[in-house]
Amino acid sequence: GNSVTQMEGPVTLSEEAFLTINCTYTATGYPSLFWYVQYPGEGLQLLLKATKADDKGSNKGFEATYRKETTSFHLEKGSVQVSDSAVYFCALPSGTYKYIFGTGTRLKVLA
Amino acid sequence: DAGVTQSPTHLIKTRGQQVTLRCSPKSGHDTVSWYQQALGQGPQFIFQYYEEEERQRGNFPDRFSGHQFPNYSSELNVNALLLGDSALYLCASSLTGTRNTGELFFGEGSRLTVL
Repeated sequence: GNSVTQMEGPVTLSEEAFLTINCTYTATGYPSLFWYVQYPGEGLQLLLKATKADDKGSNKGFEATYRKETTSFHLEKGSVQVSDSAVYFCALPSGTYKYIFGTGTRLKVLA
Repeated sequence: DAGVTQSPTHLIKTRGQQVTLRCSPKSGHDTVSWYQQALGQGPQFIFQYYEEEERQRGNFPDRFSGHQFPNYSSELNVNALLLGDSALYLCASSLTGTRNTGELFFGEGSRLTVL
């Protein structure tokens, strides 16, 4: 079945630093890829997605490009803020109804 | 526009007891999935309900069961609780068929502690 491997955290950055969180996947075909974010005390919410190879998803200054050559979907942001402190999950569907999530990467941004 | 709501938010049970968790999907959504998120881990798929039927089940024992009601709300039941069942239980709603964008809408979860 499909699987996802996500870089372990925690990641601690200073405000305005550049962020990269690595995600690689194994999949049959070319499924849509997702990044979800979980703020403290909240459920997960969709951050961005890409539906086909070479697509770039973007939202709130975050970007991720669907790269089939390297089977990767790395999350990037040019300048992080304290409010970006959260746990980030890479995800993809496995079959018709089920989603596989990575183990999550905790980001802490210091003022 | 009401989002996904779950209850209770926190509960404590002892081993061997049974628990029922409840979920109301986002307005207009017809599909409910349940996920278990252990501490420091990503969510793990338990099962999905659509049209009051379990459509797919993840790798969870039969102690985990569910139900979906005609108004699309759902319950997750766990019997004979084990210490390892301690986790955050997340409900996610979505649409089915051509309206499905692939996005899951999550509630804030029910945190279950088993002592």
